[in-house]
Amino acid sequence: EDKVVQSPLSLVVHEGDTVTLNCSYEVTNFRSLLWYKQEKKAPTFLFMLTSSGIEKKSGRLSSILDKKELFSILNITATQTGDSAVYLCAVGFLNTGNQFYFGTGTSLTVIP
Amino acid sequence: KAGVTQTPRYLIKTRGQQVTLSCSPISGHRSVSWYQQTPGQGLQFLFEYFSETQRNKGNFPGRFSGRQFSNSRSEMNVSTLELGDSALYLCASSLVVADTQYFGPGTRLTVL
Repeated sequence: EDKVVQSPLSLVVHEGDTVTLNCSYEVTNFRSLLWYKQEKKAPTFLFMLTSSGIEKKSGRLSSILDKKELFSILNITATQTGDSAVYLCAVGFLNTGNQFYFGTGTSLTVIP
Repeated sequence: KAGVTQTPRYLIKTRGQQVTLSCSPISGHRSVSWYQQTPGQGLQFLFEYFSETQRNKGNFPGRFSGRQFSNSRSEMNVSTLELGDSALYLCASSLVVADTQYFGPGTRLTVL
């Protein structure tokens, strides 16, 4: 059973569009949720959301955490071709140290 | 501050051989985690080390092992390689346990 589910699996948009990526997770002992961007290399860190920090924003990217409904969304406004990547969501649970469970990712393609 | 470094970047091995991968965390980071990334399974947790102790282990066979040295550098070893071990192996470091993880560039292992 998947602990972290991302949707959609893939997305193609035009430059300037706004996109919303989803990440849902199991309830058991939630500790934190991380968003990463992965191009053809290692994942790069975007945001960390916890019980004490449920909304983050950086430039055109923003993310919120809904602890009641057990999901997070990543919003990207005014998309650019450089936003094309796989976006990964990872969830850490209490008492599991640094073991993060990753979703399979959402592949975003931004066309000019 | 230098990021996470991994060596080698690429490896080609044949079935039955063994391999050792190395990871140097960000300076000051004491926690190192290893992940396997494949197209079909996504990112899967292998194990985590903190202060030279393995704290958590994912659901991988005993052929996968690792260790951490006093300077926080970590190695992982895979013995008796199988074709299915072909993957991108990512190392991530964090300042302390349960903190944000920063990934290295990965080692691309191909088993023939």
